[in-house]
Amino acid sequence: ETGVTQTPRHLVMGMTNKKSLKCEQHLGHNAMYWYKQSAKKPLELMFVYSLEERVENNSVPSRFSPECPNSSHLFLHLHTLQPEDSALYLCASSQDPHPGGSNQPQHFGDGTRLSIL
Amino acid sequence: ILNVEQSPQSLHVQEGDSTNFTCSFPSSNFYALHWYRWETAKSPEALFVMTLNGDEKKKGRISATLNTKEGYSYLYIKGSQPEDSATYLCAFIGMYSGGGADGLTFGKGTHLIIQP
Repeated sequence: ETGVTQTPRHLVMGMTNKKSLKCEQHLGHNAMYWYKQSAKKPLELMFVYSLEERVENNSVPSRFSPECPNSSHLFLHLHTLQPEDSALYLCASSQDPHPGGSNQPQHFGDGTRLSIL
Repeated sequence: ILNVEQSPQSLHVQEGDSTNFTCSFPSSNFYALHWYRWETAKSPEALFVMTLNGDEKKKGRISATLNTKEGYSYLYIKGSQPEDSATYLCAFIGMYSGGGADGLTFGKGTHLIIQP
């Protein structure tokens, strides 16, 4: 089993739908992250959770709502998305001594390719 | 807004040749620099995490150097092989004023293609 698993791999949804992206890590890490990769843009950090508490929220619109019920699971709840939200959403985890900061490598999932109609 | 620049954007290299590319980042409030390799249809894979000025790290044919005073890092690949074809990302972490570390800010990457 891979270290970080994301489901679904692909998601197509309308602007009025509600859906959730799921991430699970099997590495015993204490920090989890959501990133967004839009076409021709660098990976953008969206949210950071350390020990199940959100430590960073990079001015992400409220139509994206993260949830971290335990140190192994991370969700991204989606509601009333816009076409510009179509992107690859990546989850990552790491073992971090400092909340939000990282001198340890991050382990990424394969991502969810999201398309908004 | 932090500026992390990678150059070149893309690079074609003959198999067997050596190559290198650059990541430049803010030289103040440095905490760490990460390098990742991202192959098509796979997830990004960590190569190095560098924290000290003058650091030099090596993993097989790939090595990296770090200059925090002038704000750059080089990634070197010796004797390129087709399996080295990927996008190479660097990511900068700065210290924020409270003394803690900030999250990763990524560059756009260098897309490397090794031609047989």
